[in-house]
Amino acid sequence: DAKTTQPTSMDCAEGRAANLPCNHSTISGNEYVYWYRQIHSQGPQYIIHGLKNNETNEMASLIITEDRKSSTLILPHATLRDTAVYYCIARGMDNYGQNFVFGPGTRLSVLP
Amino acid sequence: ETGVTQTPRHLVMGMTNKKSLKCEQHLGHNAMYWYKQSAKKPLELMFVYNFKEQTENNSVPSRFSPECPNSSHLFLHLHTLQPEDSALYLCASSSSPGLATDTQYFGPGTRLTVL
Repeated sequence: DAKTTQPTSMDCAEGRAANLPCNHSTISGNEYVYWYRQIHSQGPQYIIHGLKNNETNEMASLIITEDRKSSTLILPHATLRDTAVYYCIARGMDNYGQNFVFGPGTRLSVLP
Repeated sequence: ETGVTQTPRHLVMGMTNKKSLKCEQHLGHNAMYWYKQSAKKPLELMFVYNFKEQTENNSVPSRFSPECPNSSHLFLHLHTLQPEDSALYLCASSSSPGLATDTQYFGPGTRLTVL
């Protein structure tokens, strides 16, 4: 699976959009970009995933660049409850689940 | 609420104890996973079960023994653990392992402390 790099930490003001970047310059054509988040001491929560088109759901939007070498997760109106570690994962077609490789992620702090 | 439950949520045990962690998924999924998350470290995949068969064991010490009696239940049996085994143990499930679009759903975890 392609390695991803994310900033260690970010701050965002409550009510503003949080834009979390992810670089995956070695991503291959069949690898999807997944985002999960983990609120302190809880299990990771699935947010969204995409291949090459931008995606939106009730939680967030995912913007993938045309060359697919980077992406941005957008939380449109961040709340204090969005404070968490956000993981960007590039995942391809592999065997039986071992290809979700979680890195250190980005620690997002939403400030009042 | 993700449809994956884990019990107990917290466990303290001595190095000579035997205990078990339980995971149950209510999503109709075929695959279940155990992950370990030590303090300040990323999640590490431990075991994978697909249709009750173990398909992955990531060099986990034998003091951790998984059991998957059916597709909805997964256990992790613990014996003679070491203090460095203290961690958050997470269970996950998914419907179509091996597909790039397969999404894993995680339980809340069991916080294990080994004294």
